[in-house]
Amino acid sequence: DAGVTQSPTHLIKTRGQQVTLRCSPKSGHDTVSWYQQALGQGPQFIFQYYEEEERQRGNFPDRFSGHQFPNYSSELNVNALLLGDSALYLCASSQFGTGGNTEAFFGQGTRLTVV
Amino acid sequence: SQQGEEDPQALSIQEGENATMNCSYKTSINNLQWYRQNSGRGLVHLILIRSNEREKHSGRLRVTLDTSKKSSSLLITASRAADTASYFCATDAMNRDDKIIFGKGTRLHILP
Repeated sequence: DAGVTQSPTHLIKTRGQQVTLRCSPKSGHDTVSWYQQALGQGPQFIFQYYEEEERQRGNFPDRFSGHQFPNYSSELNVNALLLGDSALYLCASSQFGTGGNTEAFFGQGTRLTVV
Repeated sequence: SQQGEEDPQALSIQEGENATMNCSYKTSINNLQWYRQNSGRGLVHLILIRSNEREKHSGRLRVTLDTSKKSSSLLITASRAADTASYFCATDAMNRDDKIIFGKGTRLHILP
């Protein structure tokens, strides 16, 4: 039973470029959440996808967008990259609507460096 | 914005000692979870405690929850070098949307 998988592991991009990060949730999970973690900080919630729709969004600009596919996998897209977008991007999968029993499983993350 | 806030920000103890980390949060919750993160990699789920529970154990871990004070503590007994990591509390803000919000974490260093 595969856990949460993210790709790529590391990525270096240039300012102004666009990047796509990918996540496959744990088997049996239908919800994917994305987090950004700057060095020395806690993960910051970007958005959550369920039933191929964005259900929740944190305080991130429209440059951050996402998608969920019918097989529940998800992509995070960031346009017009800034140096400040350098961070570890974490994907979490869970089962929606578990009403207080939401145990989220995390992938190993994608380390994005913008130069 | 951060929902939880861990205290202390950093903690160094000798191997074999107990480590205690605290977490305070702002809004009512369904549950509170503790995670461990090694060297900036993925988060490992340690324990989930529901709002109607006061204490929970898992191996060398003991978690308490005081909803009246909106606080939780994580106790690691008989610490080992492998426990060196960052520890985060996360809450779900009791709005049934399953989004979980993290604090800034406690960086624990176990000295040999």
